[in-house]
Amino acid sequence: QTVVTQEPSFSVSPGGTVTLTCGLSSGSVSTTNYPSWYQQTPGQAPRTLIYSTNTRSSGVPDRFSGSILGIKAALTITGAQADDESDYYCALYMGSGIYVFGTGTKVTVL
Amino acid sequence: QVQLVQSGAEVKKPGASVKVSCKASGYTFTRYHMHWVRQAPGQGPEWMGQINPSGDRTDYAQKFQGRITMTRDTSTSTAYMELSSLRPEDTAVYFCGRDSGKYGAENWGQGTLVTVSS
Repeated sequence: QTVVTQEPSFSVSPGGTVTLTCGLSSGSVSTTNYPSWYQQTPGQAPRTLIYSTNTRSSGVPDRFSGSILGIKAALTITGAQADDESDYYCALYMGSGIYVFGTGTKVTVL
Repeated sequence: QVQLVQSGAEVKKPGASVKVSCKASGYTFTRYHMHWVRQAPGQGPEWMGQINPSGDRTDYAQKFQGRITMTRDTSTSTAYMELSSLRPEDTAVYFCGRDSGKYGAENWGQGTLVTVSS
């Protein structure tokens, strides 16, 4: 079974830049996986940041950007702010109508 | 604006079924897929499945095959997710999510807590 892998945690300074990645336990991520990225507090609805690799959801500031870096999808936060401290999850389209969420990254801003 | 309003919290006994509703407004209901995702306590989100705009095709995560049913009622712009043979580990907050139209959910319901306990 394919696992979608993310770094468990990242720390970034206020105003700094951090890049989170989203990979596959076997194989590489491409635009045909249509990577999406979500910010979530446990028990609350996810907030969609990015879908289809690099399309920002409505109202999402442009300091959030998505891309493919090598064999992984990436979410870059530029100019990190205190309220960016959260859990971030990617999701990948695996084909045949199936999606899988990643393991999640906890981002700390300090 | 897009709004998804879900039904209220449920408490169920093991072996029972639960049906969660998701009433949509602010967009053309018959143009977008609807996803269902759940988040158990202390865990990340888990994709459960999706239903296509016309309601004649569903795709379910293998884990839930055989005990999940997704439907939609176009007359009331409401999507439903029913999970049967509930067990304590199904205790979670369940979310509906409208697809972006370009793969991946974009807009979310507020969530429905389902507690499975004897």
